[in-house]
Amino acid sequence: EVQLVESGGGLVQPGRSLRLSCAASGFTFDDYAMHWVRQAPGKGLEWVSGISWNSGSIGYADSVKGRFTISRDNAKNSLYLQMNSLRAEDTALYYCAGATGGLFDYWGQGTLVTVSS
Amino acid sequence: EIVLTQSPGTLSLSPGERATLSCRASQSVSSSYLAWYQQKPGQAPRLLIYGASSRATGIPDRFSGSGSGTDFTLTISRLEPEDFAVYYCQQYGSSPSTTFGGGTKVEIK
Repeated sequence: EVQLVESGGGLVQPGRSLRLSCAASGFTFDDYAMHWVRQAPGKGLEWVSGISWNSGSIGYADSVKGRFTISRDNAKNSLYLQMNSLRAEDTALYYCAGATGGLFDYWGQGTLVTVSS
Repeated sequence: EIVLTQSPGTLSLSPGERATLSCRASQSVSSSYLAWYQQKPGQAPRLLIYGASSRATGIPDRFSGSGSGTDFTLTISRLEPEDFAVYYCQQYGSSPSTTFGGGTKVEIK
């Protein structure tokens, strides 16, 4: 069974940092590009960042460029998102997703990040 | 960056009716790299359609996609109770970068 389990979310003050993790199982992790997609409360999906299977290609949404860093460890079947200089507008449920050819095949259940003083 | 605009924002229909959802791109989507996802409350999205018109594994044939260039459509031929949800289009022609549309909510009338 495919599982993507996100962790690391929580309440954080504006300007602080947080690191999200995603543990993958049930599929060949290094066959897949991996992404972070977020959804603010009551809003739509927003792609945040993606990384190719070998970390050779990385992309960020303009809204997080320069503040967030995506990385992966294929030996540990894990994906990470380092989030710095957090803002109130970063408040959202953050999903980890596995993709082939740009299509999101697998999704986690998300971890909630709340940025508030 | 390609911007996807979905319309209408909300579609109020009855079970058995036909639903037609639109997704318009700000520039041409290469090789029809356009997908549709369904999201139900409290759940992660699920892939329905890829390549503008190909159904993903296990998706019923009442779901169909069409279009090319900048205009794409998702059609649900006869709405079942489980189809009431939010639908998102996605362009994926420049992986790893991608964008989603704002979503269309299909609600029970």
